[in-house]
Amino acid sequence: DAGVIQSPRHEVTEMGQEVTLRCKPISGHDYLFWYRQTMMRGLELLIYFNNNVPIDDSGMPEDRFSAKMPNASFSTLKIQPSEPRDSAVYFCASSLLWRGLADTQYFGPGTRLTVL
Amino acid sequence: AQKITQTQPGMFVQEKEAVTLDCTYDTSDPSYGLFWYKQPSSGEMIFLIYQGSYDQQNATEGRYSLNFQKARKSANLVISASQLGDSAMYFCAMREAVYQGGKLIFGQGTELSVKP
Repeated sequence: DAGVIQSPRHEVTEMGQEVTLRCKPISGHDYLFWYRQTMMRGLELLIYFNNNVPIDDSGMPEDRFSAKMPNASFSTLKIQPSEPRDSAVYFCASSLLWRGLADTQYFGPGTRLTVL
Repeated sequence: AQKITQTQPGMFVQEKEAVTLDCTYDTSDPSYGLFWYKQPSSGEMIFLIYQGSYDQQNATEGRYSLNFQKARKSANLVISASQLGDSAMYFCAMREAVYQGGKLIFGQGTELSVKP
C-alpha cells in the first residue's frame, strides 16, 4: 500500500509568493493532519480534518495560511503571501478511526519549504 | 503549560547497550494514549510504539518497550541492544480521550546518537 504522499518534496520561493503544498492520504483513512516542524517550535499541529471537514484549525498561525480538503484523497495547504519565517518542514499525516485512542497517525515524507 | 515534556535534548549510547528516553506528560483526562515516533536524518516520522492509559502491561515492540509509570505520569522509551541505525530524533506524543482518533500533542524530542 502507498503511504501518505506529499508534493513537492522541496520548495524554494521568494517572499510574497503563493505556496501550495499537496497531500494524498492513505486510502480509506478518516483523518488528515497538517503539521509544521521547526527547530524553534518543534512539531506543531496546524489543522486537521475528519471526513474532509476541518475539525480544529486553532494551530493555523495567521490568515495567510489556509487548508482545504475537497475530497477524501486530496488536501492542500496554501500560504499566501509567504514570508521567510514560514520556512519549515510541513508534514501531512493520516489515520483511520478504528480503535480511537490507539489510532496511529502515518506521516508523509514532508515538504521542506524555504522562503527567501 | 507543556503537556508533553522530554527533558533530554540529546543522548549518547554505546552500540549494543540499552538506553532510556524520558517522557513526562500532563493531563487530567483518565483516558489517554501515549505514542513514540522516530525521525531519522532522512526526515520521515516513523511510529514505534503505543501505550494506553488503561493497559495493564507495558507495551513492547521488538527492541522497543515503554516503561509506563502512571502515577508519575511518565512514559519512557527503552531501546535495548542499540544499533547504529537507531541514531535519530525520538518524539513522545499524547492523545486525550476527547480527541479519540484525532489530535496528537508532541514533545520537543530527544536526539539519540549511537556510538560504534
